[in-house]
Order: sequence, then structure tokens, then C-alpha cells
Amino acid sequence: AQTVTQSQPEMSVQEAETVTLSCTYDTSESDYYLFWYKQPPSRQMILVIRQEAYKQQNATENRFSVNFQKAAKSFSLKISDSQLGDAAMYFCAYRRTTLGNEKLTFGTGTRLTIIP
Amino acid sequence: DTAVSQTPKYLVTQMGNDKSIKCEQNLGHDTMYWYKQDSKKFLKIMFSYNNKELIINETVPNRFSPKSPDKAHLNLHINSLELGDSAVYFCASSQVNGWETQYFGPGTRLLVL
Repeated sequence: AQTVTQSQPEMSVQEAETVTLSCTYDTSESDYYLFWYKQPPSRQMILVIRQEAYKQQNATENRFSVNFQKAAKSFSLKISDSQLGDAAMYFCAYRRTTLGNEKLTFGTGTRLTIIP
Repeated sequence: DTAVSQTPKYLVTQMGNDKSIKCEQNLGHDTMYWYKQDSKKFLKIMFSYNNKELIINETVPNRFSPKSPDKAHLNLHINSLELGDSAVYFCASSQVNGWETQYFGPGTRLLVL
């Protein structure tokens, strides 16, 4: 079974600085998808960024980028120029490509605090 | 123009009661999901439906029964509620075509007293 591990329960960063959230996963599949979701205090789950395993190029969305290391099964999220609105729980998630099994397997989350 | 909506947002009830949570999506997606987020914020899949057909059923007690009247709706009925059922329940939807993102509803916070 696939597992996703987020080893940092809590992180904090000064406003405008850069922070990296770690995620590792375990799978025997060669193709899969990886996601980072954000959950602010409002509770809404919001997609931050996604990556296809067969793509070597790291995904980027504005201030958010990932460092995808397939051999190491690592998928870290970098947030540049941190803003107060970035404060939230961040979840790393894995999804197989197999049709009929599109469930997301989540890590335990990292709570990110932004220090003004 | 809410994409995925859930009702109610909050549900407080007594042990032993039966309750339902409704979910609707207006994205035209063909697959819908129920996830449970426990008190430690851990999210786990419960069910998945594709075009009204159950395709994922994780190890969930029989007291939980999903129902999909059409592909835009997926409801969750819970019988004989227990204290351990207290959690936030999220509905999500996606289009099964490649790696379509799952879009989540706002969640329903269930508190069983």
C-alpha cells in the first residue's frame, strides 16, 4: 500500500522569507500523481500544486514550487516570499494513475505559521 | 456558483441517532468521493462513486452507507452514530480522465455527544 510521510508537524517562517515543507512517499508504481493541498482555518481544501511522476521538470505555480526527486521518492514544497495568507495546514497527497482507484492518500500534514 | 457544496456545514447530534450529509457538485464531474478528517487532521478516503457506481469502499463500518442518486450527488448516511464518528467529512469530485484534480467541498463538522 502507498504511504505518504510528512515529518514536520509544524513549521514557521518569517513573512517574505522562503520555507520548504518535506514529503516522502512509498510506492511500487512507476507512474503516479503528487499533490500539495492547503487547508486554512476556514477548513476548505485548496489545491496548491501538482506533479506527474513521469515529468522530470518540477512544477511551479507563482510563489509555489516543488522539488520532485523520483528516485528518492521525495516531493517537497517551497514557498517563496511567504505571506500571512499562506498560514495553513499543508497536506501532501499521492494518487495512482490506475483508473478506478483515484483516491488520494494523504500525509499527516504540516502546520505552517507565518511570523509578521 | 459553488463547485462542490455540502449540507449541513455543522451537525451536532446524540449517540445512537441516524444522520445524513448531502453533497452536490456542479462541475460536470463523473466521480465523487467521501473523505473523513479526524481530530488529528488526518484525511482518509471512505468511498468513491463513478457515474453512480461504487468503485472504492475502504474499511468503513456498515453503519456508513453512501448513496448516489445521480452523478452530481453523493450523500452519506450514518446509522447509530458513535462518539468516534465525530470528525469533519469532506466530499470531493473529479473527472476521471488523466490526473484531474479533486475539488473539495467545505466539509461537514459532525459532533456526536
